[in-house]
Amino acid sequence: AQSVTQPDIHITVSEGASLELRCNYSYGATPYLFWYVQSPGQGLQLLLKYFSGDTLVQGIKGFEAEFKRSQSSFNLRKPSVHWSDAAEYFCAVGVGGGYQKVTFGTGTKLQVIP
Amino acid sequence: DVKVTQSSRYLVKRTGEKVFLECVQDMDHENMFWYRQDPGLGLRLIYFSYDVKMKEKGDIPEGYSVSREKKERFSLILESASTNQTSMYLCASSSQNYGYTFGSGTRLTVV
Repeated sequence: AQSVTQPDIHITVSEGASLELRCNYSYGATPYLFWYVQSPGQGLQLLLKYFSGDTLVQGIKGFEAEFKRSQSSFNLRKPSVHWSDAAEYFCAVGVGGGYQKVTFGTGTKLQVIP
Repeated sequence: DVKVTQSSRYLVKRTGEKVFLECVQDMDHENMFWYRQDPGLGLRLIYFSYDVKMKEKGDIPEGYSVSREKKERFSLILESASTNQTSMYLCASSSQNYGYTFGSGTRLTVV
């Protein structure tokens, strides 16, 4: 069975600083990988996804993620964080074409300080 | 845009009550899912469905059942609500072209 680890429960960054959120996955075959963002009281919104091809994936809101098979990682990055990026971020791994059963990490809560 | 609608944002029920959480999607997606979200535990899959009248257990199905009589509607049923089922419940639908789309969630409190 697949699994996802997000080692950082809570991260605080200054507005304008760069951001990297870590994600490690465990899955025997080629993974389908996702990052979602959840604002307080809301559902989850897809930031980006990796199915195949270029290992550097661009997403919405200026986010990108890099798939590194050798490290089983799919870290999320943003060069300059905005106050509106404060939210909870979830990494996920999918099977069955990526649109069937998806397993989520426990999330990283991002706080942005002025 | 694909829309997944959960019928209630907030719900308060008494222990032992039968509770229905409804989810409707408007894009003819094949797959629908119910997750519960708890602090520190992330999202855990309760049940999912690949087609009408089909259902499969997820990781934590105990105490829950589901119904999918129409393609667009997927209901989560708590047969006898208990306080440990107090949680945020998230419905999602997916298809090969769209990936996952989530509803806004239902925050259920069982007292």
